[in-house]
Amino acid sequence: AQKITQTQPGMFVQEKEAVTLDCTYDTSDPSYGLFWYKQPSSGEMIFLIYQGSYDQQNATEGRYSLNFQKARKSANLVISASQLGDSAMYFCAMREDSGTGTASKLTFGTGTRLQVTL
Amino acid sequence: GAGVSQSPRYKVAKRGQDVALRCDPISGHVSLFWYQQALGQGPEFLTYFQNEAQLDKSGLPSDRFFAERPEGSVSTLKIQRTQQEDSAVYLCASSLYRDRGKTYNEQFFGPGTRLTVL
Repeated sequence: AQKITQTQPGMFVQEKEAVTLDCTYDTSDPSYGLFWYKQPSSGEMIFLIYQGSYDQQNATEGRYSLNFQKARKSANLVISASQLGDSAMYFCAMREDSGTGTASKLTFGTGTRLQVTL
Repeated sequence: GAGVSQSPRYKVAKRGQDVALRCDPISGHVSLFWYQQALGQGPEFLTYFQNEAQLDKSGLPSDRFFAERPEGSVSTLKIQRTQQEDSAVYLCASSLYRDRGKTYNEQFFGPGTRLTVL
């Protein structure tokens, strides 16, 4: 089973509008973290936002917010006031914290390509 | 400060050749990860180092793939007898050591090495 599912291969949004990128996840680990990364055409992965499984509040970072619905196992990214520079691939990723205290690998979804239009 | 750097940025190899990909993590970052990103896909985990110790190599696709980090800083991913299916972008990421009870430590990614095997 896919651990991270991003069902939107591509999305369009008009400049200055808000857009939601969907992400669902599957894990049996009670402790985990969810990340969103942006990958422009240049290729580097840029960290956007993090949500821990025990965090009570939804994470926010500037124009980015994470709509975390634990019971539904979803962690959707909301970008407000879209800008042309937001056009990129967006990846949702999960880190399962198995309790060893060491850093853990990220498991990524297949990504959503966002295109911001005028 | 300087981010994660990788070299070369592009590598073309003939099938059967050996290649070596280099990663310079952010200074002071204990954890180092290698990921493989096939065209149109999300990155997939290959291996993880904590300092010089390779703690997880479960993602290496075959024994043709070998990674090392002998002094706990620079890492090299070596692929022997390259095959066409090895063509991908190889991403390196580093992060601070993560202890339980602390908040997250995001992974900082390098620009990647695009490997094309002819």
